[in-house]
Amino acid sequence: DIQMTQSPSSLSASVGDRVTITCRASQSISIYLNWYQQKPGKAPKVLIYAASSLQSGVPSRFSGSGSGTDFTLTISSLQPEDFATYYCQQSYTTLSWTFGQGTKVEIK
Amino acid sequence: EVQVLESGGGLVQPGGSLRLSCAASGFTFSSYAMIWVRQAPGKGLEWVSSISGSGGSGSTYYADSVKGRFTISRDNSKNTVSLQMNSLRVEDTAIYYCAKSQDGFYGADYWGQGTLVTVSS
Repeated sequence: DIQMTQSPSSLSASVGDRVTITCRASQSISIYLNWYQQKPGKAPKVLIYAASSLQSGVPSRFSGSGSGTDFTLTISSLQPEDFATYYCQQSYTTLSWTFGQGTKVEIK
Repeated sequence: EVQVLESGGGLVQPGGSLRLSCAASGFTFSSYAMIWVRQAPGKGLEWVSSISGSGGSGSTYYADSVKGRFTISRDNSKNTVSLQMNSLRVEDTAIYYCAKSQDGFYGADYWGQGTLVTVSS
């Protein structure tokens, strides 16, 4: 099974900060990596698919990069509505997915 | 407008069974895989099960934690997907989300609001 490891588990940042979250796969997953945002009491929302493609309607301050085993989600200028938990998810194994453990972004 | 709506959650004793349903609309249902993801209280997301658009033999997938106990199925004539959960354990307690896969590789783009399953004596 493919394991996904995110870091950090949590971080504190201020509005306007540049934030970077990393995700590492236990084996190469090519570009089959998606990123989600989840706010308390809400369903997850896909932000980035195929490692670097921005989902329709998602602000351009979100970006993704990486391939193989190492991936990054970057928020270029953190906004108040971006405080949430972020998850990576691999889809290399068709329809047998794995999520990372999540990264909680909190207000400093 | 795409809509995904789960139902069927509730309180069940350990060892019991429960059937979750998910009704979808606003897209060509049979063209897309459907996914179940759960989230235990205060924990992260866990993929549970998936079924391809056709739902045919060999097109269902399960997490190791539920394999042999849960069964996913779909009815493309009714635009519904179901999750039959048997031999439930306390650790199955979670919010269960149904989601539409935008493509097998590109994540899930539409999610329901979730239905709570509580396994407790």
